[in-house]
Amino acid sequence: EAQVTQNPRYLITVTGKKLTVTCSQNMNHEYMSWYRQDPGLGLRQIYYSMNVEVTDKGDVPEGYKVSRKEKRNFPLILESPSPNQTSLYFCASRGLQETQYFGPGTRLLVL
Amino acid sequence: QQQVKQSPQSLIVQKGGISIINCAYENTAFDYFPWYQQFPGKGPALLIAIRPDVSEKKEGRFTISFNKSAKQFSLHIMDSQPGDSATYFCAATSSYNTDKLIFGTGTRLQVFP
Repeated sequence: EAQVTQNPRYLITVTGKKLTVTCSQNMNHEYMSWYRQDPGLGLRQIYYSMNVEVTDKGDVPEGYKVSRKEKRNFPLILESPSPNQTSLYFCASRGLQETQYFGPGTRLLVL
Repeated sequence: QQQVKQSPQSLIVQKGGISIINCAYENTAFDYFPWYQQFPGKGPALLIAIRPDVSEKKEGRFTISFNKSAKQFSLHIMDSQPGDSATYFCAATSSYNTDKLIFGTGTRLQVFP
């Protein structure tokens, strides 16, 4: 089954404790992205990647890091999480067409 | 110039009625306008999309109307059903960088029987 998977689905952490949210896709897609979803703000892009070792900032990259060492994986790293990074995070991927396929989401609470 | 403005924020419709969600953009470089549907606890999923070379696109009960001169586009859901209850997002992007997808703020639709 073609899908984008994210782990963990739910995460509670404390300010400053480094964390990684993993994202993996099995569709051999070149392009992958990370979004955060906040009430009243819709989805805002954090980072995106056009292929292995090629990444670029989205609209809200501050406080986040990404890496793309393999085509199928695109982890999101929060080196020092803060409460304002409490949000619902989505990973997405797409092939050569425009359609983005979203993962199920990761709900993060930073205390 | 990067914003996509979406309205209304929430919408309540009777079963069988028409649901209409509107979006407006400013960046004239945008040339691909998808709509995403999101159910609670799930990620957004592409519902229907349009390019500015046509003024309307229909897929089943879902229709996008596009007004290039006004820089507006809208989603019409005909014969709305309780199963359509979800949050809908419009989005826009440019073919030059399809991964820079700009989303509207979302519309929560509730369809009552």
